[in-house]
Amino acid sequence: GESVGLHLPTLSVQEGDNSIINCAYSNSASDYFIWYKQESGKGPQFIIDIRSNMDKRQGQRVTVLLNKTVKHLSLQIAATQPGDSAVYFCAEILNAGNMLTFGGGTRLMVKP
Amino acid sequence: SQTIHQWPATLVQPVGSPLSLECTVEGTSNPNLYWYRQAAGRGLQLLFYSVGIGQISSEVPQNLSASRPQDRQFILSSKKLLLSDSGFYLCAWSAGQGVREAFFGQGTRLTVV
Repeated sequence: GESVGLHLPTLSVQEGDNSIINCAYSNSASDYFIWYKQESGKGPQFIIDIRSNMDKRQGQRVTVLLNKTVKHLSLQIAATQPGDSAVYFCAEILNAGNMLTFGGGTRLMVKP
Repeated sequence: SQTIHQWPATLVQPVGSPLSLECTVEGTSNPNLYWYRQAAGRGLQLLFYSVGIGQISSEVPQNLSASRPQDRQFILSSKKLLLSDSGFYLCAWSAGQGVREAFFGQGTRLTVV
């Protein structure tokens, strides 16, 4: 998509604060939306997903919100820690569950 | 347990030279396999994905190609590298059919000079 060619935006938060990372998607046919975390020099790691017929899902310290009306996905991280510093990508599953594509990413920097 | 191996970790190649990056998965059968490219400080671009041996879907037209000669082996190739091929190449696998979690290799940092 277009977002892969753009420099990643940065979100800077204080340790202990809550973080909200946003993502806009364009394909309404996606079955699932997923958040991945990528640390420097490594491959992305799965954080949490949400099915397209849900609007909220909670995990450990993370919550994903899906607003299908405006095609918007967000990841909320509670009590952000230095170890949360990474790039966060939204992704979606297409093509009968066989194609995983990534959307825009956000670099999260946690200040001690 | 399942593991994914991707090599080499770093590669410096001259313009016009060929490329072969290999990725293998252990501990699972009939996985979906993916190749992504990531330019410095940017997002992940899906290059190819495969749902079975010999089945390759290309997402971005370019001078790269992919092959899946065996169930758990995925190869990314080029006959002649361009400067614009530089980047961080990531292989990944998933169980497919709507399984949302994909597992990534450690990546290959390719610099074309």
